[in-house]
Parts: sequence; C-alpha cells; structure tokens
Amino acid sequence: GNSVTQMEGPVTLSEEAFLTINCTYTATGYPSLFWYVQYPGEGLQLLLKATKADDKGSNKGFEATYRKETTSFHLEKGSVQVSDSAVYFCALITAAGGGADGLTFGKGTHLIIQP
Amino acid sequence: GAGVSQTPSNKVTEKGKYVELRCDPISGHTALYWYRQSLGQGPEFLIYFQGTGAADDSGLPNDRFFAVRPEGSVSTLKIQRTERGDSAVYLCASSWNGLAGVGEQFFGPGTRLTVL
Repeated sequence: GNSVTQMEGPVTLSEEAFLTINCTYTATGYPSLFWYVQYPGEGLQLLLKATKADDKGSNKGFEATYRKETTSFHLEKGSVQVSDSAVYFCALITAAGGGADGLTFGKGTHLIIQP
Repeated sequence: GAGVSQTPSNKVTEKGKYVELRCDPISGHTALYWYRQSLGQGPEFLIYFQGTGAADDSGLPNDRFFAVRPEGSVSTLKIQRTERGDSAVYLCASSWNGLAGVGEQFFGPGTRLTVL
C-alpha cells in the first residue's frame, strides 16, 4: 500500500531561518506528490505539487523536488516568516487508479516561526 | 467562485445516535472525496465518488459508515450508531478527474464531529 512519513513536530525556528521538512514515501505505482498547508483556523490548501521524477514544485518561496531514487519530497524555504506558521502535510496520490485511492497523507508537521 | 462547502461546521451528538454530514463540491467537479482527520493526524481517505457512483469505498472503517451522491453533485456522509471513536474532523474534497488525469483536490473547511 501507499504511505508517507514526515518529520515529527513541532519545528520551531526564528524568522529568516532556513527550513527543511523531510518527507519520504512508499507507493504502488507512480505517484504524484503534494505539500498541503493548514493555517490556524483555516482549511487545507495545496501549497505545491510535482507529478514526475525530478520535477520541482514551488510556491510562496517554498520548494520541493520529486526524488524517485530516494523516494523523497522534502520541503524547503530559504527564509521563513512568522506568517509561515502552520501545519504542513506531505501527501501522494497514485493516478494509475484514476485517483480512486484518494490522497495518502503524512501525520503533519507543526511549524512555529518566532519573531 | 465558491469553494467546497460543508455543513454543519460543528456537530455534537450522543453515543448511539445517527448523524448526516453534507458536502457541496465545486460546481462541475466530477470527483468527490471524503476524509477523516483525527487530532494530531493527517487526513485519512474514506470514500471516492466519480459522478454518482462510489468508485472506491475501501477507506470506510465499518458498515456503520455510508455515503451517497445521488445526482453527482452534493454528497452526504451518514454514520449510524455513533461511537466516541468516531469523533474527528470530516473533510470533503472535490476535483475534476478525467481522461487527462487526476485533478487538484480542493478541500472544504470540514465538519467537526464530537460524540459524547
């Protein structure tokens, strides 16, 4: 089956620090990979995605590269802001089934940015 | 345009009662998903509809859970004989899935279910 493992939180950083949140996966078939973000009091939002190996997804200064050889999709940002404080979820879907298996999510990483 | 909406936003019920949770997807989206998110966990897949039919209900935990989408738009998740362990946030998402592939899923705000 499919599974996603991401680093446990909470992760606490100072403003302008470099961020890495690790994510590795196992999948039957060829997955598409996603990072979703949940800001306090809000619903899940897609942050970025990559659909094939070596693709780099990017949005709002965040980046993640689809690494098939290491089955990883680590999230990075060069300089975090207080407004980046949220819970981040790594997820995958195997489109071979037409999306019928739904997204498989990691447990989430709570990021806290201190001014 | 309007996003995915879910009602009610909060539902408190007693153990053993029946509840219905409603999801209004984005207009035109063919696919609809239900997920359950327990405290401190990521969402877990429950069921997927493509049009009116349940294409995959393998995530439903047991036969107390059932979902319908009779006209291919609005969906209702139904839980019979609720148990305290059913307490969670129930999320709905919709996407446009077609021959070109699987589309981005847009999530609703969720329904927080509390079973006393």
